[in-house]
Amino acid sequence: AQTVTQSQPEMSVQEAETVTLSCTYDTSESDYYLFWYKQPPSRQMILVIRQEAYKQQNATENRFSVNFQKAAKSFSLKISDSQLGDAAMYFCAYRSARRTSGTYKYIFGTGTRLKVLA
Amino acid sequence: DGGITQSPKYLFRKEGQNVTLSCEQNLNHDAMYWYRQDPGQGLRLIYYSQIVNDFQKGDIAEGYSVSREKKESFPLTVTSAQKNPTAFYLCASSMSGRAPYEQYFGPGTRLTVT
Repeated sequence: AQTVTQSQPEMSVQEAETVTLSCTYDTSESDYYLFWYKQPPSRQMILVIRQEAYKQQNATENRFSVNFQKAAKSFSLKISDSQLGDAAMYFCAYRSARRTSGTYKYIFGTGTRLKVLA
Repeated sequence: DGGITQSPKYLFRKEGQNVTLSCEQNLNHDAMYWYRQDPGQGLRLIYYSQIVNDFQKGDIAEGYSVSREKKESFPLTVTSAQKNPTAFYLCASSMSGRAPYEQYFGPGTRLTVT
């Protein structure tokens, strides 16, 4: 079974600085997708960025980028020019490209709480 | 606007009572999911459904039940058999297919059982 591990329960970053959140996963599959979700204090889950495993190029979305290392099964999120609004829980998630019991299951890590210091 | 609604935002129940959490989506998504979120444990899958009238148990289905009579609706019932029901519950939906479709989430329901 696949697992997702986020080893940093909490991280802090100074406003305007850069921070990297770690995520590792375990799978025997070669075709899958990875996601980072943000959960602010409102608790609404918001997609930050996604990565297809077959793509070597790292995904980027404005100030958010990933470092995807397929062989190492690592998927870290880099937030540049951190803003106060970036303060949230961040979850890493894995989704197989194959169906399980008729649908696609998403597996989430335990989350990293990011604090942004003014 | 398309999205997922969950109601109510906060729910209080006495121990021993069943309670049903509502989840509705107008995104025309086939798949719907229920997660439970506890501090330090991330999101744990309770039930999921790919099509109407079909659903599957997730990792922590004991003490919960669901129905999928309409594509738009996937209510979750927390029964009195659930030993520790106080938690934050998230409903999600997604498109089907091999493409990297993300899940869309509702705003969640905070259930407190005393």
